[in-house]
Amino acid sequence: AIQMTQSPSSLSASVGDRVTITCRASQGIRNDLAWYQQKPGKAPTLLIYTVSNLQSGVPSRFSGSGSGTDFTLTISSLHPEDFATYYCLQDYNYPLTFGGGTKVEIK
Amino acid sequence: QVQLQQSGPGLVKPSQILSLTCAISGDSVSSKSAAWNWIRQSPSRGLEWLGRTYYRSKWSNDYEESVKSRITVSPDTSRNQFSLQLNSVTPEDTAVYYCARLYCSSISCYVDYWGQGTLVTVSS
Repeated sequence: AIQMTQSPSSLSASVGDRVTITCRASQGIRNDLAWYQQKPGKAPTLLIYTVSNLQSGVPSRFSGSGSGTDFTLTISSLHPEDFATYYCLQDYNYPLTFGGGTKVEIK
Repeated sequence: QVQLQQSGPGLVKPSQILSLTCAISGDSVSSKSAAWNWIRQSPSRGLEWLGRTYYRSKWSNDYEESVKSRITVSPDTSRNQFSLQLNSVTPEDTAVYYCARLYCSSISCYVDYWGQGTLVTVSS
C-alpha cells in the first residue's frame, strides 16, 4: 500500500497567517491527490481534488500544488473557521490511503 | 446534490457482526462514474479505507487486506443503497464508520461526498 506522510502533525497559527501543509507519497501517484478538512464530530469535507482543483464552494484562500510524490496545501490567510484538522488522500490506487492529519490550532 | 445517509447500530458485541447501511440520494448505486466506499476513523488507526463496491459492466468489490477475510460491501439496487458487513468484530474495530462516494470524471477520480458517520463501539 502507498504510504502518505503528512507534516507537520500539528501547528499553531494566528488569524491572517499563511499556512502550508505537506504530504509525501511513498511512490509516485501522478496527480491523484485530494485534501480534506475535518472539524470535531463531523465527516471530512473535500477542499481540493486532483492536486489543485478547488471543490465548488471552497474559498479561494485554499490552494494545492505538487506532483509525483510531494504535495502541498496552502491557506493564504487563515480565517477563524479554518481551525480544523486537514488530511491528504491518494486515490491513485487501492487501497486508498490517507495522511496522518495536520491539526491547525489557534496561537 | 448527493447525500449519503448512514444507519445501523452503535454498539456491537465482540465476535458478532457489524452491519451498516448507506442510503444514496442524488446519484445511483449503479452509476458507472462512481464507486461506493466504507472508511473508518479511530485515534489509533486514523482514517482507514475498508472496501468498495462499484458497477461497470458487472458488480465488483475491493477490500483492504487486513479486513479482507471478514468484510463484505454489497449494493442494494432496489433501495439505492449499499451496506457494510464486518464479521467477528473485536474492540479494535471500534471506530467512526463513514460511507463515501468516489466520483470519476473523464480525467480523474476523487472522494467527494461522505455520510455523516456512525460511531460503532465493540463491547460486551
